[in-house]
Amino acid sequence: AQTVTQSQPEMSVQEAETVTLSCTYDTSESDYYLFWYKQPPSRQMILVIRQEAYKQQNATENRFSVNFQKAAKSFSLKISDSQLGDAAMYFCAYRSAIAGTASKLTFGTGTRLQVTL
Amino acid sequence: SQTIHQWPATLVQPVGSPLSLECTVEGTSNPNLYWYRQAAGRGLQLLFYSVGIGQISSEVPQNLSASRPQDRQFILSSKKLLLSDSGFYLCAWSVSGWNSPLHFGNGTRLTVT
Repeated sequence: AQTVTQSQPEMSVQEAETVTLSCTYDTSESDYYLFWYKQPPSRQMILVIRQEAYKQQNATENRFSVNFQKAAKSFSLKISDSQLGDAAMYFCAYRSAIAGTASKLTFGTGTRLQVTL
Repeated sequence: SQTIHQWPATLVQPVGSPLSLECTVEGTSNPNLYWYRQAAGRGLQLLFYSVGIGQISSEVPQNLSASRPQDRQFILSSKKLLLSDSGFYLCAWSVSGWNSPLHFGNGTRLTVT
């Protein structure tokens, strides 16, 4: 079974600065997908960014980018120019690419990000 | 555009009472549907998923059950709630496909007293 580990329960960043959230995972599969979700105080889960394991290029979505290290099984999220609205719980998630499976995601325990002035 | 509705937003129920949480999706056909639970200080745990009407897969043994009576309706139920059923329940949907992300509802905060 796959596992996802987020070793930072809490992180803090000043507004306009850059922060990196860590995520490691364990799998024996070669094809899979990785996701970062954001859960603000409203509790709704919002997709931030996703990465296909077969792609070497790191995914980027505006101020959000990932550092995907397949050999190390590492998938960190970098938030640039942090804004107050980025304050939230961030979850890393893994999805097998085996054909026929539903999008069953395995989630990490989350990192709470605080953004200070 | 697709939307997902989940209700109620909050619920307080006594131990031993029944439970019914409902989730509906609009704007898409034959979605995959999911129920996740988020316990305090923990990540999300997949409880059930469904790839079609009447097709339910359970991921963990528990006091809960799920049903999909219509294509875009997913219901989470219990005949008798336990204290350990307290938590935040999230419904989600996805289209069939290898790269399909999950789209979540706003969740239900369940407190069993």
